[in-house]
Amino acid sequence: GNSVTQMEGPVTLSEEAFLTINCTYTATGYPSLFWYVQYPGEGLQLLLKATKADDKGSNKGFEATYRKETTSFHLEKGSVQVSDSAVYFCALSDGVTGGGNKLTFGTGTQLKVEL
Amino acid sequence: EAGVAQSPRYKIIEKRQSVAFWCNPISGHATLYWYQQILGQGPKLLIQFQNNGVVDDSQLPKDRFSAERLKGVDSTLKIQPAKLEDSAVYLCASSLYTDTQYFGPGTRLTVL
Repeated sequence: GNSVTQMEGPVTLSEEAFLTINCTYTATGYPSLFWYVQYPGEGLQLLLKATKADDKGSNKGFEATYRKETTSFHLEKGSVQVSDSAVYFCALSDGVTGGGNKLTFGTGTQLKVEL
Repeated sequence: EAGVAQSPRYKIIEKRQSVAFWCNPISGHATLYWYQQILGQGPKLLIQFQNNGVVDDSQLPKDRFSAERLKGVDSTLKIQPAKLEDSAVYLCASSLYTDTQYFGPGTRLTVL
């Protein structure tokens, strides 16, 4: 079955540091890949996505590239801010077309950014 | 555009009691999902509706959990009777005919 593996947290960084959160996946077919972010007390928000190999998703300074050869979708940001402190979830959809797709999530990585 | 609405935001009950959660998806979204997020874990799909039909309920504990989506819009998720291990955040999401799901704020359930 499908699965997503994320690096464990918490990850603690100083403001303006470079961020990488690793994500690898196992899936059949051609899944789409997502990063969702969850701020304290809030629901999940879509951060970025990629739907095919070599696509790069980007948003708010974050980016991730769909690497089929390494089955990875690592999240990166060049300079983090305190406001980026949140839990980040990597997820994949099962590639079923039409009518919405089931998401499989990783366990989440907590990011703490300090001044 | 209004997002996915959920209520209540918080609920505390004792074990063996029943509880219900409500979700209103984004207008026009045909597909609705209920996820369970246990502390420290990623969300797990419980049930997926397309319009008012069930697409996937393979991970729904049907002896105690039930869900319905009347008229293909709002949905309710019920637990009866609740167990301690049901303590979690229950997330509702909706999508159009794409694979981008939009999530509500969730209902945090505590079972004592």
